[in-house]
Amino acid sequence: ETGVTQSPTHLIKTRGQQVTLRCSSQSGHNTVSWYQQALGQGPQFIFQYYREEENGRGNFPPRFSGLQFPNYSSELNVNALELDDSALYLCASSLAPSGGYEQYFGPGTRLTVT
Amino acid sequence: DAKTTQPNSMESNEEEPVHLPCNHSTISGTDYIHWYRQLPSQGPEYVIHGLTSNVNNRMASLAIAEDRKSSTLILHRATLRDAAVYYCILRGAGSYQLTFGKGTKLSVIP
Repeated sequence: ETGVTQSPTHLIKTRGQQVTLRCSSQSGHNTVSWYQQALGQGPQFIFQYYREEENGRGNFPPRFSGLQFPNYSSELNVNALELDDSALYLCASSLAPSGGYEQYFGPGTRLTVT
Repeated sequence: DAKTTQPNSMESNEEEPVHLPCNHSTISGTDYIHWYRQLPSQGPEYVIHGLTSNVNNRMASLAIAEDRKSSTLILHRATLRDAAVYYCILRGAGSYQLTFGKGTKLSVIP
């Protein structure tokens, strides 16, 4: 069984640019969540997608957007990058969106904004 | 989601059992108790979760107090690979997110 994969591993962007991060969910999982982890902090919830619809959103501005595809893979898009967007971006998949189901995380994408 | 309290850090000797405590006095009846850990430079890893009864899996055991106001993650035999930050998280049945606190940094001494 293939776990959650993310691409790219590392990325360097300039302030003001746009970036797209990708995530392939674990087989059979229809729910994908995205988290941002700044250095030395715990992950912060960005949003969740369930069956191609945004299911919930954390305290992040609209320039953070996402997509989920029919095969349940997902993208995170960030527009107008700011220096504070430098972080590890984590994707997690689960069998269902509710609290009784565990989430399986990918290795993350390290984004550096200069 | 209700809040949890964990010690900032703990130490354990290799090959000894480790008991990681978590207090959650404001837990509601529909909150699941989840544990995740994060090794350095890796994404979080699911460890175990439960609602009311104690749970066991290949990684660990979860002991839940009868009043559900506290729980303990038990690693039966610590290895160097268990050195990580352990997060205890309450997640409501209808909640779509995991809310991470500061967790407990576990050090394993050879």
